[in-house]
Amino acid sequence: DVKVTQSSRYLVKRTGEKVFLECVQDMDHENMFWYRQDPGLGLRLIYFSYDVKMKEKGDIPEGYSVSREKKERFSLILESASTNQTSMYLCASSQNQQYFGPGTRLTVT
Amino acid sequence: AQRVTQPEKLLSVFKGAPVELKCNYSYSGSPELFWYVQYSRQRLQLLLRHISRESIKGFTADLNKGETSFHLKKPFAQEEDSAMYYCALSGMDSSYKLIFGSGTRLLVRP
Repeated sequence: DVKVTQSSRYLVKRTGEKVFLECVQDMDHENMFWYRQDPGLGLRLIYFSYDVKMKEKGDIPEGYSVSREKKERFSLILESASTNQTSMYLCASSQNQQYFGPGTRLTVT
Repeated sequence: AQRVTQPEKLLSVFKGAPVELKCNYSYSGSPELFWYVQYSRQRLQLLLRHISRESIKGFTADLNKGETSFHLKKPFAQEEDSAMYYCALSGMDSSYKLIFGSGTRLLVRP
């Protein structure tokens, strides 16, 4: 069974803080993704990575960066959190289909 | 432009009634189409994909290239079908990057 885990289920941060969201997969998948999920907007792709140290911007990369130092780990970084980044963040990895993590609900106050 | 449209935010039906969740897409090329489902307090999971041509939990979806649609159907809804449903498409490359619709919440009333 594919396992995608995310470091936190709930996170509360203050405006301007640097935030790290971690994602780990255990199936040796090459592709990993970060989405944010908002009501009425569905899932929007922030960044994805198709190999270690490789990354590509998705549809809404502004205000975010990513890091993929090891194949199994893909980190999303909010350099300076803002209130409009309050959202549910989903990580996924894929081989021939995408497998999702449980999500991290981030609140920025 | 590549886009997935789910016109209904909420679909409410009674148990035993037929269900159809609509999905239309815009894509230049031959995409692969998916339906994902998220039950309450659970992670998003794949329900079905058009290339598999299979029925999962009684749900089916047929790709209509002429109408660029991939509607999800079930003849008799069950209360446990209540969930958020997302239609998504992927280009035929190796990245498996998905474009999602905005989602439809299905509520099946007893």
